[in-house]
Amino acid sequence: EVQLLESGGGLVQPGGSLRLSCAASGFTYISYTMSWVRQAPGKGLEWVSCVSNYDTSTYYADSVKGRFTISRDNSKNTLYLQMNSLRAEDSAVYFCAKVGYYASGYWYFDLWGRGTLVTVSS
Amino acid sequence: AIQLTQSPSSLSASVGDRVTISCRASQGISSALAWYQQEPGKAPKLLIFDASTLESGVPSRFSGSGSGTDFTLTISSLQPEDFATYYCQQFNNFPHRITFGGGTKVEIK
Repeated sequence: EVQLLESGGGLVQPGGSLRLSCAASGFTYISYTMSWVRQAPGKGLEWVSCVSNYDTSTYYADSVKGRFTISRDNSKNTLYLQMNSLRAEDSAVYFCAKVGYYASGYWYFDLWGRGTLVTVSS
Repeated sequence: AIQLTQSPSSLSASVGDRVTISCRASQGISSALAWYQQEPGKAPKLLIFDASTLESGVPSRFSGSGSGTDFTLTISSLQPEDFATYYCQQFNNFPHRITFGGGTKVEIK
């Protein structure tokens, strides 16, 4: 079955750290760019970060640059998000998402996980 | 950074109605736009990519149009399962950045 399964969310204090994981199955993981997208409670979607296939170039939203690090382990079909210096405004459901192949070369998300909740609070 | 403004932010409609949702980009983005549907408590689902191409498996009552700065998602005949929140998303190639619109919630009238 083609799926993404996130884990690692939880309650963390402001200034703390957390590492999210996303296990991929059912597709050739190494061939695809992967991403994290978050959604604060009752709010809209916010792109967080992407890591490209093969050359593993990384890209970040300005709101997390310097605090979050995206990485991937192609031998384990797993995507990670290391989150440091967490703030209350980082509280959200974090979705793992796969970027599909499109002839245009543009990046769209054709597969999503169910998400993992991160709460930053003292 | 490119901003996406969706309108309306919410709307009420009846089953069978024709519904249109607008997404305006702060600068031209060619056709680099997608539309997603998100039901409460679920992950988003891709409906339309490259502004007007229907994703495989998506019902034909969904359609997208536009290019440059103005885009539209149309549901030709609203079905009960279509009551959800809809988001537009753009991709900027240089630098690589992705932006979502604020969302449009479609509710039952």
